Amino acid sequence: GDSVTQMEGPVTLSEEAFLTINCTYTATGYPSLFWYVQYPGEGLQLLLKATKADDKGSNKGFEATYRKETTSFHLEKGSVQVSDSAVYFCAVSGSARQLTFGSGTQLTVLP
Amino acid sequence: KAGVTQTPRYLIKTRGQQVTLSCSPISGHRSVSWYQQTPGQGLQFLFEYFSETQRNKGNFPGRFSGRQFSNSRSEMNVSTLELGDSALYLCASRELLKTVDSPLHFGNGTRLTVT
Repeated sequence: GDSVTQMEGPVTLSEEAFLTINCTYTATGYPSLFWYVQYPGEGLQLLLKATKADDKGSNKGFEATYRKETTSFHLEKGSVQVSDSAVYFCAVSGSARQLTFGSGTQLTVLP
Repeated sequence: KAGVTQTPRYLIKTRGQQVTLSCSPISGHRSVSWYQQTPGQGLQFLFEYFSETQRNKGNFPGRFSGRQFSNSRSEMNVSTLELGDSALYLCASRELLKTVDSPLHFGNGTRLTVT
């Protein structure tokens, strides 16, 4: 079945630092890729998505590019803020059109 | 549009009891999925319903069941509760399009504690 391998956390950064969270996937067919974010006490919110190879998803300063050749979808942000502190999940939707999530990466940004 | 609504927000049950959780999807969304989230196992897919029919099912025992009503609202039931069923149960809805995977929209979850 589909699977997602995500960079282990927790990740602690200072405000304005550069963020990368690695994500690689295995899936059949032509999967779509997603990043979700979960703030304390809340459900998951869609952060960005990409539906085909070389697509770049972006939102709120976060970006991720669908790399089919390396089966990767790494999340990046040039300058993180304290308000970005949350858990980030990479997810893949393969031929079964069912979303499979990675284990999540806890990000803490210090002022 | 109102978001996905899950009730109740918190539940405390005793081993052996059963529990029913409720989910109202975003208006117009006919697909509802359920996930179990625990610190050890992360997010695990339970099942997905579309137009009152189960489309997909994860690897959970038969004690976990669900259903969807004609208005797309969904319920999930867990019978004979075990301590290991303590988790955050998340419901998500989405539109199902023919060619593109639409994203899931999640509720804030029901926190179930089994004692």
